[in-house]
Amino acid sequence: DAGVIQSPRHEVTEMGQEVTLRCKPISGHDYLFWYRQTMMRGLELLIYFNNNVPIDDSGMPEDRFSAKMPNASFSTLKIQPSEPRDSAVYFCASSGLAGGETQYFGPGTRLLVL
Amino acid sequence: AQTVTQSQPEMSVQEAETVTLSCTYDTSENNYYLFWYKQPPSRQMILVIRQEAYKQQNATENRFSVNFQKAAKSFSLKISDSQLGDTAMYFCAFADSGAGSYQLTFGKGTKLSVIP
Repeated sequence: DAGVIQSPRHEVTEMGQEVTLRCKPISGHDYLFWYRQTMMRGLELLIYFNNNVPIDDSGMPEDRFSAKMPNASFSTLKIQPSEPRDSAVYFCASSGLAGGETQYFGPGTRLLVL
Repeated sequence: AQTVTQSQPEMSVQEAETVTLSCTYDTSENNYYLFWYKQPPSRQMILVIRQEAYKQQNATENRFSVNFQKAAKSFSLKISDSQLGDTAMYFCAFADSGAGSYQLTFGKGTKLSVIP
């Protein structure tokens, strides 16, 4: 199994630009999670999907952030417009079941907004 | 809301020695799961070990073992025969067992340095 795949691995952009992060979960996993990691706030859950449906987006910081999962093998997290305070590492994770099944993380996307 | 506390921001250990990382959590749930994840400098989050709250037996994975004290809400990680590759951030995490109300809550992490 290839594990969770994320792209790009690194992204440098200028304030105001649109940023799209991509994730391919492990095949057969029904749950997909987006996290953000910063020094100040640690690891935060932004949103998660079950069977391609968003279940809880209460962690999405503001309307500039949006996430979609058009099919079982692909999800995007979009920031429009981006701001310097969005600089962070964004992780995608997937799991087979909710309620304690292990979440497997992708390698993360390191985003720098200038 | 569940909280996870790691009281040791940084620790160090000599190679081949044993080290214990602390984690406490707060929950009103009776059934839940606990995890330790490792994050080396590469930033990849790697599962180290998983414990189900209804199991009294402590989980072990090779050199890694936990001391799970449910009444005390404590979940410490012991690393035996420490190796240089164990140098990483270690995160304790909690997961509610109820489907539909799922969230993985992380502690702030402990930075472990293994000294040659």
